[in-house]
Amino acid sequence: GAVVSQHPSWVICKSGTSVKIECRSLDFQATTMFWYRQFPKQSLMLMATSNEGSKATYEQGVEKDKFLINHASLTLSTLTVTSAHPEDSSFYICSASGTASGYNEQFFGPGTRLTVL
Amino acid sequence: GENVEQHPSTLSVQEGDSAVIKCTYSDSASNYFPWYKQELGKRPQLIIDIRSNVGEKKDQRIAVTLNKTAKHFSLHITETQPEDSAVYFCAASRDFGNEKLTFGTGTRLTIIP
Repeated sequence: GAVVSQHPSWVICKSGTSVKIECRSLDFQATTMFWYRQFPKQSLMLMATSNEGSKATYEQGVEKDKFLINHASLTLSTLTVTSAHPEDSSFYICSASGTASGYNEQFFGPGTRLTVL
Repeated sequence: GENVEQHPSTLSVQEGDSAVIKCTYSDSASNYFPWYKQELGKRPQLIIDIRSNVGEKKDQRIAVTLNKTAKHFSLHITETQPEDSAVYFCAASRDFGNEKLTFGTGTRLTIIP
């Protein structure tokens, strides 16, 4: 299967700072990337869908001004958590898909654990 | 939007026995149903999936059944082994690939040696 990476794998930051998480498709072109958030012992909740070159589509209840998503190329999407607070501490996972590459499923990144002090 | 319910939330079975996890969905337009296995702190791993034009699919010890009329699908694991212990999530989507996935609430499966 295809490979999706995320960076960093974990990050600790102070309350009020911003954190950027990168999601890369390493061996295929990802026309669509998805960002999920997973709190401890809970399910994955979709935050937003991003298509290369266009604005992200956010799920209901997700603040687009707080969670900035940029999908500037077919291999990179970034999620920036602005003015992070302790309640934003979570496991953030991206997934990527690109049917043009021949893959017909979403491939998940390894996740980024964010801890806000 | 889509709503996916999953039961049970926890399941313990004796090694060698079978485990069954059930999910229901609400969106009649959903036609792709993957199952994921997630170990602590790691990414979800696709273990099997089924599309709506198929009623059952099997891959070695794992099988999935789909009843599109009743809007429910199930995961069956036979001859369970300790390494099957993990959290399992069902999901539903209107299409594979580019459509968003709605996940169930998860089942923590524990295999008792």
